[in-house]
Amino acid sequence: ETGVTQSPTHLIKTRGQQVTLRCSSQSGHNTVSWYQQALGQGPQFIFQYYREEENGRGNFPPRFSGLQFPNYSSELNVNALELDDSALYLCASTPGQDPSYEQYFGPGTRLTVT
Amino acid sequence: KQEVTQIPAALSVPEGENLVLNCSFTDSAIYNLQWFRQDPGKGLTSLLLIQSSQREQTSGRLNASLDKSSGRSTLYIAASQPGDSATYLCAVVANDYKLSFGAGTTVTVRA
Repeated sequence: ETGVTQSPTHLIKTRGQQVTLRCSSQSGHNTVSWYQQALGQGPQFIFQYYREEENGRGNFPPRFSGLQFPNYSSELNVNALELDDSALYLCASTPGQDPSYEQYFGPGTRLTVT
Repeated sequence: KQEVTQIPAALSVPEGENLVLNCSFTDSAIYNLQWFRQDPGKGLTSLLLIQSSQREQTSGRLNASLDKSSGRSTLYIAASQPGDSATYLCAVVANDYKLSFGAGTTVTVRA
């Protein structure tokens, strides 16, 4: 069974640019959530995708957007990057919509905005 | 809005000592609580999942308790080892499906 994978591992962008982060969910999981973790803080929920539809969003501006594909992999897109977007971006997958399911996290993508 | 607090923010113990990490949450209407381990710059490793109907879960040297009515959970790590040095995060899930995290407790186990 393949776990949650994310790419790239690290990247550096300039303020104002756009970035796309990718996540492959664990085999058999149709629900993917994205989290932002700033240094020294707990992860903050960005949004969740279930069967290609956004299903819940945290307190993030519209320049944070996402997609989920038929194979349940997902992308997180961030436009007009700001310095405060520098963080570790984590994705997590679960086998369905039941909130009692355990969430499995990927290794994260470290984004640095200069 | 669910608020999750972890106390202390950091602790340092000698090898062999038992660890006690605390987590509190403001809204008791949760589905489950997860404890995670995070090594510096890395992703989250799930340690224990406690469903709302359970009082505790155990895995090896780890034991987590849950008192939903009082909004508290405690993670016990027996006979700590230097390899236990990491940040430990707790998170709860309510009916909005998202995990609400605490800021974590950073543990250092001295050899």
